Amino acid sequence: DIQLTQSPSFLSASVGDRVTISCRASQVISNYLAWYQQKPGKAPKLLVYAASTLQSGVPSRFSGSGSGTEFTLTISSLQPEDFATYYCQQLNSYASITFGQGTRLEIK
Amino acid sequence: EVQLVESGGGLVQRGGSLRLSCAASGFTFRSYWMSWVRQAPGKGLEWVANIKEDGSEKYYVDSVKGRFTISRDNAEKSVYLQMNSLRGEDTAVYYCARCGSGTYGNYYGMDVWGQGTTVTVSS
Repeated sequence: DIQLTQSPSFLSASVGDRVTISCRASQVISNYLAWYQQKPGKAPKLLVYAASTLQSGVPSRFSGSGSGTEFTLTISSLQPEDFATYYCQQLNSYASITFGQGTRLEIK
Repeated sequence: EVQLVESGGGLVQRGGSLRLSCAASGFTFRSYWMSWVRQAPGKGLEWVANIKEDGSEKYYVDSVKGRFTISRDNAEKSVYLQMNSLRGEDTAVYYCARCGSGTYGNYYGMDVWGQGTTVTVSS
């Protein structure tokens, strides 16, 4: 099975900061990688698919990059509503899908 | 409005069974793979199972193989998760999600999610 390792697990930042979250896959997954945002008590929300394509309606301050085994999610200028937990997900095959362990982004 | 609504969660004893349902609306249900994803209290997301558009392919995470069964009824626009031999570690919020269409639908991630239904397995 493909493992995903996210870093950092916890991130403290201020409104207006630029933040980057990393996700490393244990084997090559091409660009079958998605990023989600989850707020407490809510379902996850798709932000980015195919590693770098922004889902419709997602603000342009979010961006994704990477291919192969190394991926990043960047938020260019943090807004108050961005404080949440972020997960990467690999969908290299419908037969086995995995999530990273999550990155909790909190207000400094 | 595109929507998924789960139901069927509840409190069940260890070793017991439960059937979750997810009703879809607002899109052509028969054209999409569907998934179940769970989240244990205070933990991260875990993919549980996938089912192809026509139900001909089904996949599961190792920890539920042989105990859980995913199925769908395209006429009813619903996907189900039959959970047997439940364990304490199955306690979680269970979400259904839409997971793409066609051969490369997995490229597009899980773009629609339900609100979740809570399963609690007691000892």
